[in-house]
Amino acid sequence: LAKTTQPISMDSYEGQEVNITCSHNNIATNDYITWYQQFPSQGPRFIIQGYKTKVTNEVASLFIPADRKSSTLSLPRVSLSDTAVYYCLVGDFYNQGGKLIFGQGTELSVKP
Amino acid sequence: EPEVTQTPSHQVTQMGQEVILRCVPISNHLYFYWYRQILGQKVEFLVSFYNNEISEKSEIFDDQFSVERPDGSNFTLKIRSTKLEDSAMYFCASSEGSTNEKLFFGSGTQLSVL
Repeated sequence: LAKTTQPISMDSYEGQEVNITCSHNNIATNDYITWYQQFPSQGPRFIIQGYKTKVTNEVASLFIPADRKSSTLSLPRVSLSDTAVYYCLVGDFYNQGGKLIFGQGTELSVKP
Repeated sequence: EPEVTQTPSHQVTQMGQEVILRCVPISNHLYFYWYRQILGQKVEFLVSFYNNEISEKSEIFDDQFSVERPDGSNFTLKIRSTKLEDSAMYFCASSEGSTNEKLFFGSGTQLSVL
């Protein structure tokens, strides 16, 4: 399983764009990149998943360079309610059968 | 959006007692999971369940743990003889399939073993 490295914490202000970068140097060919969000005392919530280039949904964008050794989760115009822990997960989820390996995540704090 | 529901939200038990944590996965999902998170630590995989049998389990999921889908809607985690170190938030999750698809997590059951 590919090891991921992401900042332990980040601070931002309301209305700003936040970019959280995750390194995964030993990503394998069959691996996908998935980001989850977790609020205190809640279960993780799927945000976005990608394999290469750029993926965008109503919540976030995910940028993956050609070498796929890193990825960046971009949250446009954050609000106080985006304060949460964000997890970058990398794996061949097809063969892992739903076994997600969570790291420590990035604790994002959005201030007014 | 459909959601996974878990009961109870909090469970307090004495060491050595049996506990059953209950979950109702999303109705058309086929794969079910239990994860746990000890306070201040990572979310950890416990077990995955498909077609009425365990697909995969972690080292944490020893003989004290068992899972069951007793009917068409519920999915349970039983801990036979709880230990202090079993105190954690337990999350149930479900997914439509296992191929790179997203997992839907419940809000968790906070288990406190005294």
